[in-house]
Amino acid sequence: GEDVEQSLFLSVREGDSSVINCTYTDSSSTYLYWYKQEPGAGLQLLTYIFSNMDMKQDQRLTVLLNKKDKHLSLRIADTQTGDSAIYFCAERGYIPTFGRGTSLIVHP
Amino acid sequence: DTEVTQTPKHLVMGMTNKKSLKCEQHMGHRAMYWYKQKAKKPPELMFVYSYEKLSINESVPSRFSPECPNSSLLNLHLHALQPEDSALYLCASSQGEASGSKSEAFFGQGTRLTVV
Repeated sequence: GEDVEQSLFLSVREGDSSVINCTYTDSSSTYLYWYKQEPGAGLQLLTYIFSNMDMKQDQRLTVLLNKKDKHLSLRIADTQTGDSAIYFCAERGYIPTFGRGTSLIVHP
Repeated sequence: DTEVTQTPKHLVMGMTNKKSLKCEQHMGHRAMYWYKQKAKKPPELMFVYSYEKLSINESVPSRFSPECPNSSLLNLHLHALQPEDSALYLCASSQGEASGSKSEAFFGQGTRLTVV
């Protein structure tokens, strides 16, 4: 079955870059997604990447995909305290399947 | 409009109560989902509706009963819940549930359910 793995925690200083990593197992996934969840809130779709792309940039967000290694990363440039949240990667097979989530903590 | 609206935002219910959670979207999406999320955990799929028909039930106990009255609405009826059912219940929708399509799922803000 599908499995999506993420590291649980990441702590960075405000203004630095954050890189959140994810590995997945379902090679048939056509789209891969990053969601952000702030405390007590629902999931906000941040960005997605199509599986035939290596990179996608959207303002401060850069998504890198290594399809051979089934590795996905999300880079947040100039990380702000408002970026503190849990970040889930998700693969879109028959149904969305989520990783365990990475808690990003941004220190002033 | 990329909004999925869930009501109520918070719900406290006793173990003998009957209550319903509601979800609404007006994006023309034909797939709608219920997820359950415990603290510090990823969302766990409960049900999927496709074209108003139940297509996936992830072995959810019968005290949870989903209903899709029309293509814009999804309900979750609750009856005789247990304290361990306390969680954030998330509704989501997508254009379709077919694999391989850019059918990103949009989520509501969730209903925080507490069973006492």
